Amino acid sequence: QTVVTQEPSLTVSPGGTVTLTCASSTGAVTSGYYPNWFQQKPGQAPRALIYSTSNKHSWTPARFSGSLLGGKAALTLSGVQPEDEAEYYCLLYYGGAQGWVFGGGTKLTVL
Amino acid sequence: QVTLKESGPVLVKPTETLTLTCTVSGFSLSNARMGVSWIRQPPGKALEWLAHIFSNDEKSYSTSLKSRLTISKDTSKSQVVLTMTNMDPVDTATYYCARIGSGFDYWGQGTLVTVSS
Repeated sequence: QTVVTQEPSLTVSPGGTVTLTCASSTGAVTSGYYPNWFQQKPGQAPRALIYSTSNKHSWTPARFSGSLLGGKAALTLSGVQPEDEAEYYCLLYYGGAQGWVFGGGTKLTVL
Repeated sequence: QVTLKESGPVLVKPTETLTLTCTVSGFSLSNARMGVSWIRQPPGKALEWLAHIFSNDEKSYSTSLKSRLTISKDTSKSQVVLTMTNMDPVDTATYYCARIGSGFDYWGQGTLVTVSS
């Protein structure tokens, strides 16, 4: 059973920078896993932020960026705003036989 | 604009089969390299990917739920249907459909399905 691991929780100060990571139990995450990142606020559907490692959607604020870091997928928020407080999920692709697997989510607190 | 809307029963009994429909607009299910996925989220828990289907009818399922899931599409109706057999109270969740275009770019609002006798 493939497991995708994220930090359960992180806290950042307004205006600060924070990096969330996404690790795979199968080994290093590469671009071939097509990492996606989503933001979810309470009572709302997830909102797509990043796809294929580092590509932003037209609605993704410039302060969000995606990358690969130390064998993991990473989401960096630079100049954090209070409205960035949310749950963040990563999603990795393991091919047709296994499909996609979500991480357990990171609860980001802006304090 | 692109929209997706989930529909189906609010309440199902244990052992019953759940049938959910995702009705899409703003794009065609026959668009090349485009697909629709189903994802669920139990109350207070993480997202779980369930299945996807692409315009070329390529399908993929969660390994843990594969034996219970079937995904299909009706391009003429702009609908993607997910069936899940042998429902259990642990399957209580909000079920979402999402477009796979530029990643999982557009999502429906979700539909809460409760499994209870």
